Amino acid sequence: AQTVTQSQPEMSVQEAETVTLSCTYDTSENNYYLFWYKQPPSRQMILVIRQEAYKQQNATENRFSVNFQKAAKSFSLKISDSQLGDTAMYFCAFMKRGAGSYQLTFGKGTKLSVIP
Amino acid sequence: ETGVTQSPTHLIKTRGQQVTLRCSSQSGHNTVSWYQQALGQGPQFIFQYYREEENGRGNFPPRFSGLQFPNYSSELNVNALELDDSALYLCASSPQLIRSYNEQFFGPGTRLTVL
Repeated sequence: AQTVTQSQPEMSVQEAETVTLSCTYDTSENNYYLFWYKQPPSRQMILVIRQEAYKQQNATENRFSVNFQKAAKSFSLKISDSQLGDTAMYFCAFMKRGAGSYQLTFGKGTKLSVIP
Repeated sequence: ETGVTQSPTHLIKTRGQQVTLRCSSQSGHNTVSWYQQALGQGPQFIFQYYREEENGRGNFPPRFSGLQFPNYSSELNVNALELDDSALYLCASSPQLIRSYNEQFFGPGTRLTVL
């Protein structure tokens, strides 16, 4: 079974600054995907960024980037130039790659507040 | 393109009752997954349906059951409700994903309160 741990229940950042959210995971799988999802107060979960474990290059989506350390089983999210709209719960998630159901295993989340 | 929709938005039930939650998948998506998100927790996988068949199940008792219809919409049924079933129930749809990855698109959820 896979587990995902987010050790920072809450974080805050000044607008326009950079913040890094931490995530570690445990798995015996070699092929998998890792995700960061954002859940604003409106509740709808939105995919922020995705990383495929077999790719060494860290994923980047505009202001969002990840630091993927496969050996350390670490997957942190960096948000640059933070904006007020980034205020949300952020969930790190794991998905095993291969045949069968494609289920997401989530961490408990980090509540990020962007301060004006 | 219509996104994933869920109904109802909120629901209040009493212990022992039964409840049905509904999900309409995004156009073109034939796979639906259900998750339970307790307050202050991350979502937990309940089960997944692909082309009307259950395609994987998480660690939930049999009183949690589901259906997927020919139009790929889905229902989550919970019998004999318990207080701990109070949670946000999320539905996510994705295009055909057997043996390949496809992004899961989430609905806004149904907030279930069991008294």
